[in-house]
Amino acid sequence: NAGVTQTPKFRVLKTGQSMTLLCAQDMNHEYMYWYRQDPGMGLRLIHYSVGEGTTAKGEVPDGYNVSRLKKQNFLLGLESAAPSQTSVYFCASSTTGGDFEKTQYFGPGTRLLVL
Amino acid sequence: GEDVEQSLFLSVREGDSSVINCTYTDSSSTYLYWYKQEPGAGLQLLTYIFSNMDMKQDQRLTVLLNKKDKHLSLRIADTQTGDSAIYFCAERVTGGGNKLTFGTGTQLKVEL
Repeated sequence: NAGVTQTPKFRVLKTGQSMTLLCAQDMNHEYMYWYRQDPGMGLRLIHYSVGEGTTAKGEVPDGYNVSRLKKQNFLLGLESAAPSQTSVYFCASSTTGGDFEKTQYFGPGTRLLVL
Repeated sequence: GEDVEQSLFLSVREGDSSVINCTYTDSSSTYLYWYKQEPGAGLQLLTYIFSNMDMKQDQRLTVLLNKKDKHLSLRIADTQTGDSAIYFCAERVTGGGNKLTFGTGTQLKVEL
């Protein structure tokens, strides 16, 4: 049981290049999330998904697109990278059932540097 | 909208208690969480508290919730060097999707 995994771990892009970050979870979770973490700003939600085939915007969605074609995978795309997208990106997943704490489980992160 | 605030930095001596504070704004939050982030790693859930509770204790961790003041704190007893990390509080946002709003994080440094 690997939990939440992210690929790649680190990437350097030039301004204008595109890339896709992959998140995979093996816990059969319905909900998945993409965050970015910047110094002094905590984690900010980019996009999220409440099930296969559905996505929704979070707090900072501009410049990103997402897809959830399979329940276990959540992809984050940057069509034309900008230096302002230099950040650490975290994926998370959570369950839906019951009324327990529904905690989010996080991946190890992807460090992205846009030059 | 929701806003969660924390002080940025805390330094304590090994063996002392650490208290990390957090204020939140959404009075309808049902669950509040504390996450720990070690260098170069993702976030790990440390503990959580349901909004109808005032206190929760879990080994060296004590969470206190003051709903009137919208104040949450995490006390770590007998702080060890392995506790050095960034600690985030988070509140569950009302509405769908089980979304969380995170604080800015408090960097805890434990000195010998």
